[in-house]
Amino acid sequence: GDSVTQTEGLVTLTEGLPVMLNCTYQTIYSNPFLFWYVQHLNESPRLLLKSFTDNKRTEHQGFHATLHKSSSSFHLQKSSAQLSDSALYYCALSDRNNAGAKLTFGGGTRLTVRP
Amino acid sequence: EAAVTQSPRNKVAVTGGKVTLSCNQTNNHNNMYWYRQDTGHGLRLIHYSYGAGSTEKGDIPDGYKASRPSQENFSLILELATPSQTSVYFCASGDGDWGDAEQFFGPGTRLTVL
Repeated sequence: GDSVTQTEGLVTLTEGLPVMLNCTYQTIYSNPFLFWYVQHLNESPRLLLKSFTDNKRTEHQGFHATLHKSSSSFHLQKSSAQLSDSALYYCALSDRNNAGAKLTFGGGTRLTVRP
Repeated sequence: EAAVTQSPRNKVAVTGGKVTLSCNQTNNHNNMYWYRQDTGHGLRLIHYSYGAGSTEKGDIPDGYKASRPSQENFSLILELATPSQTSVYFCASGDGDWGDAEQFFGPGTRLTVL
């Protein structure tokens, strides 16, 4: 079945430094949709950004990600971390033709940004 | 504003007892989902539904049942609760029927089974 791998469980950064959270996936489908969801402390997950188009950069709220089907990756990046970016980040996978729109989530990366 | 609500927000249950977690959405979305969240495992899909009267097994359905009596309501039922079911449970609704749909999550229910 489908799977999503987030290699870092915990990432700690100093404010102002760049952010990169890794996400790779495995799927039998040729038209994957990739998502990043973010969950701040004591809140529920919410969508940060999503992409379907190969090699096209998607941006939202200062974050960006590019779907690379050749390497099955969808890494999340930001040029300069802010304290408010501290949160749990989930990468998730679906398929264009996935009736029911089910998501397969990775294990999550907890980002902590220090002053 | 459209929303997903869950009740109860916190629940302590005894091993072998029955637990029902409730979810209500005002988004008028067809699809609804139940996940559990555990450190290191992320969000794992337990059951989902395409609409009123339908329930489907997700990735980890064992020990759980689901009920979708109406468009708005989706319940998760633990007939015989076990300590391994101690977790945070999230309900979500999806704004489309296909793979690009965004899911909107409720506030979560923290369940402790003693």
